[in-house]
Amino acid sequence: SQQGEEDPQALSIQEGENATMNCSYKTSINNLQWYRQNSGRGLVHLILIRSNEREKHSGRLRVTLDTSKKSSSLLITASRAADTASYFCATANSGYSTLTFGKGTMLLVSP
Amino acid sequence: NAGVTQTPKFRVLKTGQSMTLLCAQDMNHEYMYWYRQDPGMGLRLIHYSVGEGTTAKGEVPDGYNVSRLKKQNFLLGLESAAPSQTSVYFCASSYRREWNTGELFFGEGSRLTVL
Repeated sequence: SQQGEEDPQALSIQEGENATMNCSYKTSINNLQWYRQNSGRGLVHLILIRSNEREKHSGRLRVTLDTSKKSSSLLITASRAADTASYFCATANSGYSTLTFGKGTMLLVSP
Repeated sequence: NAGVTQTPKFRVLKTGQSMTLLCAQDMNHEYMYWYRQDPGMGLRLIHYSVGEGTTAKGEVPDGYNVSRLKKQNFLLGLESAAPSQTSVYFCASSYRREWNTGELFFGEGSRLTVL
Protein backbone atom coordinates (compact mmCIF):
# COMPACT_ATOMS: atom_id res chain seq x y z
CA SER A 1 0.00 0.00 0.00
CA GLN A 2 1.11 3.56 -0.63
CA GLN A 3 2.76 5.20 2.36
CA GLY A 4 3.31 8.69 0.95
CA GLU A 5 0.69 10.66 -0.90
CA GLU A 6 1.71 13.72 -2.89
CA ASP A 7 -0.42 16.78 -3.34
CA PRO A 8 -1.28 18.22 -5.80
CA GLN A 9 -1.40 15.49 -8.43
CA ALA A 10 -0.48 18.04 -11.09
CA LEU A 11 0.93 21.56 -10.99
CA SER A 12 1.39 24.01 -13.84
CA ILE A 13 3.44 27.20 -13.38
CA GLN A 14 5.47 29.75 -15.35
CA GLU A 15 9.24 29.89 -15.43
CA GLY A 16 10.61 31.89 -12.54
CA GLU A 17 7.76 30.99 -10.19
CA ASN A 18 8.16 28.77 -7.15
CA ALA A 19 6.67 25.28 -7.05
CA THR A 20 5.55 23.62 -3.85
CA MET A 21 4.63 19.97 -3.54
CA ASN A 22 3.42 18.23 -0.43
CA CYS A 23 3.69 14.68 0.83
CA SER A 24 1.73 13.09 3.63
CA TYR A 25 2.43 9.69 5.15
CA LYS A 26 0.78 7.41 7.66
CA THR A 27 3.31 5.65 9.88
CA SER A 28 6.52 6.63 11.64
CA ILE A 29 9.52 7.02 9.38
CA ASN A 30 13.26 6.96 9.65
CA ASN A 31 13.80 9.26 6.70
CA LEU A 32 11.90 10.74 3.77
CA GLN A 33 13.32 11.18 0.29
CA TRP A 34 12.31 13.07 -2.84
CA TYR A 35 12.94 11.86 -6.37
CA ARG A 36 12.46 13.35 -9.83
CA GLN A 37 11.45 11.45 -12.93
CA ASN A 38 11.70 12.97 -16.39
CA SER A 39 9.36 11.54 -18.98
CA GLY A 40 10.43 8.07 -20.08
CA ARG A 41 13.43 7.98 -17.72
CA GLY A 42 14.37 6.44 -14.41
CA LEU A 43 14.01 8.18 -11.07
CA VAL A 44 16.77 10.40 -9.79
CA HIS A 45 17.36 11.06 -6.10
CA LEU A 46 17.04 14.73 -5.10
CA ILE A 47 17.27 14.98 -1.35
CA LEU A 48 16.96 12.96 1.86
CA ILE A 49 15.75 14.34 5.17
CA ARG A 50 16.04 12.36 8.37
CA SER A 51 13.27 12.15 10.95
CA ASN A 52 15.23 14.34 13.39
CA GLU A 53 15.69 17.10 10.82
CA ARG A 54 13.13 19.83 10.10
CA GLU A 55 14.52 21.50 7.02
CA LYS A 56 17.12 20.83 4.38
CA HIS A 57 18.41 22.74 1.36
CA SER A 58 20.09 21.67 -1.85
CA GLY A 59 20.59 24.33 -4.49
CA ARG A 60 17.11 25.58 -5.48
CA LEU A 61 15.44 22.84 -3.46
CA ARG A 62 14.10 23.23 0.05
CA VAL A 63 12.55 20.32 1.91
CA THR A 64 10.72 20.52 5.21
CA LEU A 65 9.55 17.72 7.45
CA ASP A 66 6.91 17.89 10.15
CA THR A 67 6.80 14.53 11.91
CA SER A 68 3.96 15.64 14.19
CA LYS A 69 1.76 16.16 11.12
CA LYS A 70 3.38 13.32 9.17
CA SER A 71 4.01 15.60 6.23
CA SER A 72 6.79 16.98 4.10
CA SER A 73 7.01 19.66 1.44
CA LEU A 74 9.35 20.20 -1.48
CA LEU A 75 9.88 23.76 -2.68
CA ILE A 76 11.59 24.45 -5.98
CA THR A 77 12.50 28.11 -6.25
CA ALA A 78 12.82 30.07 -9.50
CA SER A 79 11.53 27.17 -11.61
CA ARG A 80 12.91 26.47 -15.06
CA ALA A 81 11.41 24.64 -18.01
CA ALA A 82 13.96 21.88 -17.31
CA ASP A 83 12.27 21.26 -13.95
CA THR A 84 9.28 19.80 -15.81
CA ALA A 85 9.03 16.26 -14.45
CA SER A 86 7.18 14.06 -11.97
CA TYR A 87 8.24 14.32 -8.35
CA PHE A 88 7.86 11.49 -5.87
CA CYS A 89 8.27 11.29 -2.15
CA ALA A 90 9.45 8.02 -0.62
CA THR A 91 9.53 6.96 3.00
CA ALA A 92 11.89 4.65 4.83
CA ASN A 93 10.57 2.96 7.93
CA SER A 94 12.76 1.92 10.83
CA GLY A 95 13.95 -1.64 10.63
CA TYR A 96 13.14 -2.04 6.96
CA SER A 97 15.43 -2.03 3.95
CA THR A 98 12.90 -0.68 1.49
CA LEU A 99 11.37 2.59 0.35
CA THR A 100 7.67 3.13 -0.21
CA PHE A 101 6.81 5.62 -2.94
CA GLY A 102 3.84 7.89 -3.39
CA LYS A 103 1.99 8.39 -6.66
CA GLY A 104 3.81 11.57 -7.55
CA THR A 105 3.16 15.16 -8.58
CA MET A 106 3.46 16.10 -12.25
CA LEU A 107 5.06 19.53 -12.57
CA LEU A 108 4.86 21.49 -15.81
CA VAL A 109 6.95 24.64 -16.07
CA SER A 110 6.11 26.75 -19.08
CA PRO A 111 8.60 29.17 -20.65
CA ASN B 1 30.55 4.11 -14.56
CA ALA B 2 27.36 2.74 -16.06
CA GLY B 3 25.44 2.77 -12.75
CA VAL B 4 22.34 0.57 -13.02
CA THR B 5 21.71 -1.08 -16.38
CA GLN B 6 18.51 -2.88 -17.33
CA THR B 7 18.02 -5.21 -20.28
CA PRO B 8 15.98 -5.39 -22.37
CA LYS B 9 14.52 -1.87 -22.58
CA PHE B 10 11.43 -2.99 -24.48
CA ARG B 11 9.72 -6.33 -24.86
CA VAL B 12 6.40 -7.57 -26.16
CA LEU B 13 5.16 -10.93 -24.92
CA LYS B 14 2.16 -13.09 -25.55
CA THR B 15 0.09 -14.31 -22.63
CA GLY B 16 1.69 -17.39 -21.12
CA GLN B 17 5.20 -16.73 -22.37
CA SER B 18 8.09 -16.42 -19.98
CA MET B 19 10.94 -13.96 -19.84
CA THR B 20 13.69 -12.60 -17.63
CA LEU B 21 14.68 -9.00 -17.00
CA LEU B 22 18.28 -8.44 -16.08
CA CYS B 23 19.57 -5.71 -13.81
CA ALA B 24 23.27 -5.05 -13.39
CA GLN B 25 24.96 -2.49 -11.14
CA ASP B 26 28.62 -1.59 -10.98
CA MET B 27 28.57 0.36 -7.71
CA ASN B 28 29.13 -2.62 -5.40
CA HIS B 29 25.75 -2.00 -3.74
CA GLU B 30 24.41 -4.51 -1.27
CA TYR B 31 20.73 -3.79 -1.81
CA MET B 32 18.82 -4.24 -5.05
CA TYR B 33 15.15 -3.77 -5.86
CA TRP B 34 12.57 -4.38 -8.57
CA TYR B 35 9.65 -1.95 -8.83
CA ARG B 36 6.83 -1.70 -11.31
CA GLN B 37 5.28 1.59 -12.35
CA ASP B 38 1.74 1.83 -13.63
CA PRO B 39 -0.23 4.98 -14.53
CA GLY B 40 -1.78 6.52 -11.44
CA MET B 41 -0.21 3.90 -9.14
CA GLY B 42 3.25 5.25 -8.53
CA LEU B 43 6.00 2.70 -7.92
CA ARG B 44 5.26 -0.57 -6.21
CA LEU B 45 7.93 -2.91 -4.88
CA ILE B 46 7.92 -6.41 -6.36
CA HIS B 47 10.94 -8.11 -4.77
CA TYR B 48 14.18 -6.99 -3.25
CA SER B 49 17.51 -8.34 -2.08
CA VAL B 50 19.73 -7.26 0.80
CA GLY B 51 22.73 -9.23 -0.36
CA GLU B 52 24.06 -11.90 -2.67
CA GLY B 53 22.01 -15.08 -2.39
CA THR B 54 19.11 -13.40 -0.56
CA THR B 55 15.70 -12.28 -1.82
CA ALA B 56 12.50 -11.07 -0.20
CA LYS B 57 8.96 -10.28 -1.27
CA GLY B 58 7.73 -6.75 -1.66
CA GLU B 59 4.23 -5.37 -2.00
CA VAL B 60 3.25 -7.09 -5.28
CA PRO B 61 5.32 -10.30 -5.65
CA ASP B 62 2.72 -12.62 -7.20
CA GLY B 63 3.58 -13.85 -10.69
CA TYR B 64 7.26 -12.92 -10.38
CA ASN B 65 10.41 -14.66 -9.22
CA VAL B 66 13.87 -13.24 -8.61
CA SER B 67 17.42 -14.41 -8.14
CA ARG B 68 20.61 -12.76 -6.87
CA LEU B 69 23.35 -15.23 -7.63
CA LYS B 70 25.96 -12.51 -8.04
CA LYS B 71 26.18 -9.31 -6.05
CA GLN B 72 26.07 -7.12 -9.13
CA ASN B 73 23.07 -8.81 -10.81
CA PHE B 74 19.40 -9.05 -9.90
CA LEU B 75 17.11 -11.00 -12.23
CA LEU B 76 13.33 -10.67 -12.42
CA GLY B 77 11.47 -13.55 -14.03
CA LEU B 78 7.94 -13.89 -15.32
CA GLU B 79 7.10 -17.59 -15.65
CA SER B 80 3.73 -17.18 -17.37
CA ALA B 81 3.10 -13.61 -18.43
CA ALA B 82 -0.36 -12.08 -18.02
CA PRO B 83 -1.79 -8.84 -19.47
CA SER B 84 -1.90 -7.45 -15.91
CA GLN B 85 1.90 -7.53 -15.93
CA THR B 86 2.05 -4.95 -18.69
CA SER B 87 4.04 -2.21 -17.00
CA VAL B 88 7.32 -0.36 -16.82
CA TYR B 89 9.78 -2.16 -14.58
CA PHE B 90 12.53 -0.35 -12.72
CA CYS B 91 15.53 -1.81 -11.03
CA ALA B 92 17.30 0.13 -8.29
CA SER B 93 20.22 -0.38 -5.95
CA SER B 94 21.56 1.23 -2.81
CA TYR B 95 24.32 1.05 -0.24
CA ARG B 96 23.71 -0.89 2.94
CA ARG B 97 23.34 1.49 5.83
CA GLU B 98 23.29 0.69 9.50
CA TRP B 99 20.54 3.14 10.35
CA ASN B 100 18.04 3.09 7.51
CA THR B 101 17.52 2.96 3.78
CA GLY B 102 19.60 5.45 1.84
CA GLU B 103 19.16 6.86 -1.61
CA LEU B 104 18.26 4.56 -4.46
CA PHE B 105 19.98 4.58 -7.84
CA PHE B 106 17.57 3.64 -10.62
CA GLY B 107 17.95 2.12 -14.04
CA GLU B 108 16.22 3.61 -17.08
CA GLY B 109 13.37 1.11 -17.03
CA SER B 110 12.13 -1.84 -19.06
CA ARG B 111 8.80 -1.42 -20.81
CA LEU B 112 6.94 -4.72 -21.01
CA THR B 113 3.72 -5.29 -22.95
CA VAL B 114 1.82 -8.55 -22.58
CA LEU B 115 -0.75 -9.21 -25.30
